[in-house]
Parts: sequence; C-alpha cells; structure tokens
Amino acid sequence: DQQVKQNSPSLSVQEGRISILNCDYTNSMFDYFLWYKKYPAEGPTFLISISSIKDKNEDGRFTVFLNKSAKHLSLHIVPSQPGDSAVYFCAANNLYQAGTALIFGKGTTLSVSS
Amino acid sequence: NAGVTQTPKFQVLKTGQSMTLQCAQDMNHNSMYWYRQDPGMGLRLIYYSASEGTTDKGEVPNGYNVSRLNKREFSLRLESAAPSQTSVYFCASSHEDRGQETQYFGPGTRLLVL
Repeated sequence: DQQVKQNSPSLSVQEGRISILNCDYTNSMFDYFLWYKKYPAEGPTFLISISSIKDKNEDGRFTVFLNKSAKHLSLHIVPSQPGDSAVYFCAANNLYQAGTALIFGKGTTLSVSS
Repeated sequence: NAGVTQTPKFQVLKTGQSMTLQCAQDMNHNSMYWYRQDPGMGLRLIYYSASEGTTDKGEVPNGYNVSRLNKREFSLRLESAAPSQTSVYFCASSHEDRGQETQYFGPGTRLLVL
C-alpha cells in the first residue's frame, strides 16, 4: 500500500507560469515532508521541506503547502523556468518512529517549455 | 566537501556474479541509507544504518547485504546478482537539525545484470 502518492506522472508548463505539483499521504503519523528534484543521471537533490506544525514554507520561487486534514501537500514553483524541468519526488517520514527513513512517492516529471 | 560519493558509476554483471557498491560521506552524518530506483517505482529503501555499528532492513532487502564500515562508509553487497536487481542504486546520508532530518544523496550507481 503506497503511503505517499503522486498521482500525476507528468506535468507540462510554459515558462513564466506557475507549476503546481501535488502529493497525498495516508499515514497520519508523518510529521515531516520534503520535496526532492532529480535530473537524469544524477542523484536527487533536496529542494524544500515542511514540518507538520506549519502549513506553508517558502524559499525563493518554491513554496510548499501542507493541508494536514486532507493529508495533502503541494509544491508551487513561480515563475517556472526551463531549468526546473526534472523529476520531483515528494517524501515523508516520522522522526519519532524507529527506522526514520524517508518514504517516497513515485515522482512527477515536470517539463517547462520556453 | 564532496558530500556523498558512490563507486562505481556504472557496472554490468552476469547473473550469479557478486559485487560491492561503495558509498562514503564527508558530512559527519550519523545515518546512511541505500535505495534503489526503478522506472515508475520511485525510490525504495533497501537497508539503512542509523549509526556506526548498526544496520536495519528497509522495504526491499532480499538479495542484499550491507556493512557500515565506519561513520563515513556504508557498502551494499550483492552476493549473487539476479536480473531483477538491474536498477539505479542511490546512497544517502542524513543529519537531524532541530527535529528535522534531511537526506542527501549520492550520484547513483547504474547496475545492469544480464
């Protein structure tokens, strides 16, 4: 059973517009959420995170929103740039649970066209 | 700081052969992880080590063994490779900061088992 779901395998956006990537989770014990970005032939790189005590975290063009009641988070990229084209993984964990490894979604491929 | 390094970058094995994937980190992190990434599957945890001298199974440990050689190094061994182990393998390390834990990934090892 998938605990972290990214239901959109791909997303296409024009340069300058907003990209919204979505992620749903089922485990109510998750208390920390992260977004990773991955280019081909490279390892995932940490992008932004949010603790369950917050509902929004912003870092430059990237904002993550968390809706705990809906068990949903989203990553907004504004404005989108061609260099943002990559696979984005949503991940979650519970820091107070034994074995605090991240649980990843399957990823969303973002394509930003100029 | 090199971050997380992995060797080799690419390897071809025949079914039944053995090999060890090497991982090292220079960030003084306590925890280290091995993931595999398969198309459409996201990243799945194979084994992790919460601290030097300890290792634990993740989601998909069958067919693998690990060694946490010291704080810096965490190796993954395939004793008898199978075609199902064809994948991209990522090593990661993490630290906890004010109750939040972020993982940092290496560039990956692409393994092809014929």
